[in-house]
Amino acid sequence: AQKVTQAQTEISVVEKEDVTLDCVYETRDTTYYLFWYKQPPSGELVFLIRRNSFDEQNEISGRYSWNFQKSTSSFNFTITASQVVDSAVYFCALSSMDSNYQLIWGAGTKLIIKP
Amino acid sequence: DTGVSQDPRHKITKRGQNVTFRCDPISEHNRLYWYRQTLGQGPEFLTYFQNEAQLEKSRLLSDRFSAERPKGSFSTLEIQRTEQGDSAMYLCASSHINEQFFGPGTRLTVL
Repeated sequence: AQKVTQAQTEISVVEKEDVTLDCVYETRDTTYYLFWYKQPPSGELVFLIRRNSFDEQNEISGRYSWNFQKSTSSFNFTITASQVVDSAVYFCALSSMDSNYQLIWGAGTKLIIKP
Repeated sequence: DTGVSQDPRHKITKRGQNVTFRCDPISEHNRLYWYRQTLGQGPEFLTYFQNEAQLEKSRLLSDRFSAERPKGSFSTLEIQRTEQGDSAMYLCASSHINEQFFGPGTRLTVL
């Protein structure tokens, strides 16, 4: 069975602090894809990143970085120097051929950045 | 704008009425997905199409729900005899292979 766990229900930090959102996944497929989406209060889901299972290189995009560790089945997301506009619910998701590329979603982490 | 669009953005209806939502995917995407999301939860998969073929339906999709994608382009999701429990955000997404890009959603309120 495939599963995505985001153990942090809610995180609150003060602006400019760094924050890491955890994501742990389970799958028996050897080829799979991991995603992060952002859902701001407006409600629209915004695609942030996709990572293939065969590419363990970490990625940095501006203040965002992602740490993919197959050994621990984790795909964590770090925001450096957080800003109030980063406040949103962040979802981690998994897809693979076994799921017909349907997204298996974590429960989401609500991130609150206080000014 | 070449993103996924959904219409209407908001729908308020009375219990027992039928409602229909429309989704226009990104033009070159052959896969189209429908999800439902309630407050504080992640999206729940409802159904998906590859071109015009509906390839999978969730058990969440009761007989009152039907979806079509007649020419492999836009899709409609109809809910018949709406119930208060149908109140949710209905999300549409499209993809070529992997990354799903989402529309803004249709928020349904059943009174």
